[in-house]
Amino acid sequence: AQSVTQPDIHITVSEGASLELRCNYSYGATPYLFWYVQSPGQGLQLLLKYFSGDTLVQGIKGFEAEFKRSQSSFNLRKPSVHWSDAAEYFCAVGGTSYGKLTFGQGTILTVHP
Amino acid sequence: DAGVIQSPRHEVTEMGQEVTLRCKPISGHDYLFWYRQTMMRGLELLIYFNNNVPIDDSGMPEDRFSAKMPNASFSTLKIQPSEPRDSAVYFCASSFETYGYTFGSGTRLTVV
Repeated sequence: AQSVTQPDIHITVSEGASLELRCNYSYGATPYLFWYVQSPGQGLQLLLKYFSGDTLVQGIKGFEAEFKRSQSSFNLRKPSVHWSDAAEYFCAVGGTSYGKLTFGQGTILTVHP
Repeated sequence: DAGVIQSPRHEVTEMGQEVTLRCKPISGHDYLFWYRQTMMRGLELLIYFNNNVPIDDSGMPEDRFSAKMPNASFSTLKIQPSEPRDSAVYFCASSFETYGYTFGSGTRLTVV
C-alpha cells in the first residue's frame, strides 16, 4: 500500500529565511511525487512534480524539491520565504501522473514578518 | 479555461436530508476524482472515474454515499441520508495524462 508521511504538522519561519518541508513516502514501484499548496478556503494548487530523470525539480513560486530514492524522501525547499507563502502544503504519491493519489497529512506554514 | 467547477461552494443541511454535490471537470480530461478533507483524516480519495466509468470506489465510506458521472462534463456525489460526521470539504479534481490534476475550489458541507 502506498503512504505519505509529513512529519511536521506546523512550521514557523521568518520572512526571508530558508524553508524545508519534509516528506517521506512508501510505494512499491517507481513513484510519481507531487507537492501541492492550499490557501485557506481554496483548492489545491500544484507546485511541482517528479516523474523521472533529474532528481532536483523546479516548481512555481521559487520552490524546488529533491527526490532521494535511498531515503524515500521528497523534501520541498525554498531559499527565501515570502509572507505570501503562508499556507498548507501537501505531499502526494501515485503510480501515474493522472491516477489515484495518496496525500500526506499536510504541513501548515506560518511566516513571521 | 474555467478550471474544475464545483457547486455549491457551501452547503448547510439538517441531519437526515439528502445532499448532492456537483462537479464539472475540465473539458478533455478523462479522469475525475472525488476527495474528502477533514481535520482528523486529511485528504481521502472517495472514488474516481475514467472515461465516465467508476474505477475505484473503495474509499466511499458507506452505502449512504453514491457518485455518478453520466457524461464527460458532469459528476455528482450524493449523500443520503446525511449525518453530522459527513461534515467536511469535498473536492473534485480532474486529470489527463501527464498534465496531472486540477482541483476545484471545494464544497464545504455542514450537517447539523
